[in-house]
Amino acid sequence: AQSVAQPEDQVNVAEGNPLTVKCTYSVSGNPYLFWYVQYPNRGLQFLLKYITGDNLVKGSYGFEAEFNKSQTSFHLKKPSALVSDSALYFCAVRRHNYGQNFVFGPGTRLSVLP
Amino acid sequence: NAGVTQTPKFQVLKTGQSMTLQCAQDMNHEYMSWYRQDPGMGLRLIHYSVGAGITDQGEVPNGYNVSRSTTEDFPLRLLSAAPSQTSVYFCASSYRGGRHTEAFFGQGTRLTVV
Repeated sequence: AQSVAQPEDQVNVAEGNPLTVKCTYSVSGNPYLFWYVQYPNRGLQFLLKYITGDNLVKGSYGFEAEFNKSQTSFHLKKPSALVSDSALYFCAVRRHNYGQNFVFGPGTRLSVLP
Repeated sequence: NAGVTQTPKFQVLKTGQSMTLQCAQDMNHEYMSWYRQDPGMGLRLIHYSVGAGITDQGEVPNGYNVSRSTTEDFPLRLLSAAPSQTSVYFCASSYRGGRHTEAFFGQGTRLTVV
């Protein structure tokens, strides 16, 4: 069965500093990994995905993610955090079953402090 | 382009009442899904559909029904509301392009059952 872990409930970072939101996964076969962001009272917005190829994936709003197959990780990163990046971040993997829907991690709340 | 539209945004129900959460998408996506979001648990799959006339159960289907009579609409019915169904509900849609495609989410319906 597929699963996704986000080991940190909350990440605090100062504006201008680099940020990392961690994600590890468990899936048989090739993983199809995604990051979504949820701003307050909004739906989920797609940030980026890893399908195959380069281990460093670039996405929206200056975010990027590093795929590491040996560590089964897909950490989200940004070189310089903005206060407006404060939101709830979800890591997800596409399933093999259930119509190829997603398994989501529990989410990590990012707070960027001015 | 409206994307995925959910109505209502907020709803309070009494235990035992029934209601329908509406979801419509204008992107001609084949795949549609319903998730519920609970604190610390990420999003969990309730029901999904891979095309008009085809629906199937997800991880947590009990107490919910769905139908898909058109490509655009995928309503979720609560048969007899229970306090355990207090949650935020998200509808999502995607192309039938395989596990590498991202999904688009509505803004959610916050449901409280008292």
